[in-house]
Amino acid sequence: RKEVEQDPGPFNVPEGATVAFNCTYSNSASQSFFWYRQDCRKEPKLLMSVYSSGNEDGRFTAQLNRASQYISLLIRDSKLSDSATYLCVVNPFSGGYNKLIFGAGTRLAVHP
Amino acid sequence: EPEVTQTPSHQVTQMGQEVILRCVPISNHLYFYWYRQILGQKVEFLVSFYNNEISEKSEIFDDQFSVERPDGSNFTLKIRSTKLEDSAMYFCASSEGASQETQYFGPGTRLLVL
Repeated sequence: RKEVEQDPGPFNVPEGATVAFNCTYSNSASQSFFWYRQDCRKEPKLLMSVYSSGNEDGRFTAQLNRASQYISLLIRDSKLSDSATYLCVVNPFSGGYNKLIFGAGTRLAVHP
Repeated sequence: EPEVTQTPSHQVTQMGQEVILRCVPISNHLYFYWYRQILGQKVEFLVSFYNNEISEKSEIFDDQFSVERPDGSNFTLKIRSTKLEDSAMYFCASSEGASQETQYFGPGTRLLVL
């Protein structure tokens, strides 16, 4: 089983649509969780951290279900500028150090 | 806003040559990392570095790779004898602490081995 698994997409949605991405992780001892965004041939950029209680940042909502080892990201009112690859990232926090495990990413294309 | 910088942005080298990729982490950060991303694949962890020593490394980080903090600002990744399969984007990252701290990524160095 892959350490972090995501649907590769692409998700093609019109502007204004709501889109949801899912991710599962294999290491039940993982400590922290993130969504990063990556534009073509650019570096990953932190979109938001994900907490057990769920968290929201503007149009973006992230949820974590530790029992199911499942992470989600909801984007409301999609904008053209949301077009990117969304990376589900897990920190297994093994041995006290901070190593990020990336999923392969889900591509989002928002069209007019 | 402070950012991680990397040089060069692109590097082309011949197989078997040594390359050094350079990074300047965010100034108050104590933890440094290298990741790589082969074209079309996921970002992969290579190595983490703290207090002038490697704290963790992946299976990818074999004897051909080394890291160094030669002065108070730079953090380098050396590949001693490059192979074709080392062609990738190499990202440096840094974080203020270890536990659940956000890692900030540099813009990357695109390495092409011919």
